[in-house]
Amino acid sequence: EAGVAQSPRYKIIEKRQSVAFWCNPISGHATLYWYQQILGQGPKLLIQFQNNGVVDDSQLPKDRFSAERLKGVDSTLKIQPAKLEDSAVYLCASSFGPSGTGWYEQYFGPGTRLTVT
Amino acid sequence: DAKTTQPPSMDCAEGRAANLPCNHSTISGNEYVYWYRQIHSQGPQYIIHGLKNNETNEMASLIITEDRKSSTLILPHATLRDTAVYYCIVRVQGAQKLVFGQGTRLTINP
Repeated sequence: EAGVAQSPRYKIIEKRQSVAFWCNPISGHATLYWYQQILGQGPKLLIQFQNNGVVDDSQLPKDRFSAERLKGVDSTLKIQPAKLEDSAVYLCASSFGPSGTGWYEQYFGPGTRLTVT
Repeated sequence: DAKTTQPPSMDCAEGRAANLPCNHSTISGNEYVYWYRQIHSQGPQYIIHGLKNNETNEMASLIITEDRKSSTLILPHATLRDTAVYYCIVRVQGAQKLVFGQGTRLTINP
């Protein structure tokens, strides 16, 4: 079974520029997550999708971050404009089931390492 | 979700058992204990979870104290590939959100 795919793996941009990350979850997985992991810290959930609807975006800095999951499959996360503190690894994860119906293991992709200079 | 406390780092010799502790003294009755690990340059990987009984799978064993205020993840025969950051997470049943702490950086030495 193919895992969660993310691209690009690395990205370097200057502050105030924009950037987009792409995620392709495991086939059939209804739930998709984006996490931000700053160096030395554990991942922090930014947004959770259930099919193509947002379940939780309470930690997403909505003035500069946006995410969408068209057709309930692939997802993109965008930052515009980027700040120095956005330097981090952005992880995408997916799981089979929807919230509240039991626990389903989250499978993580390799992440995109973003450096903002 | 209840908070967890883990030592920031641990060392273990290759071939020995690695015992990783986790304190979750404020855990509620409907909260499970989960363990994930993150190998360098990879995303986190699920290891095991439990409610109150001890659990074992092909990767590890999870020992939860009777009062459920702490637990220990056991890697019975650690290898160099087990070097990673290990996260102990407490989560309400049915909730999908994972709240990661800083974890324990486990180094397996040859």
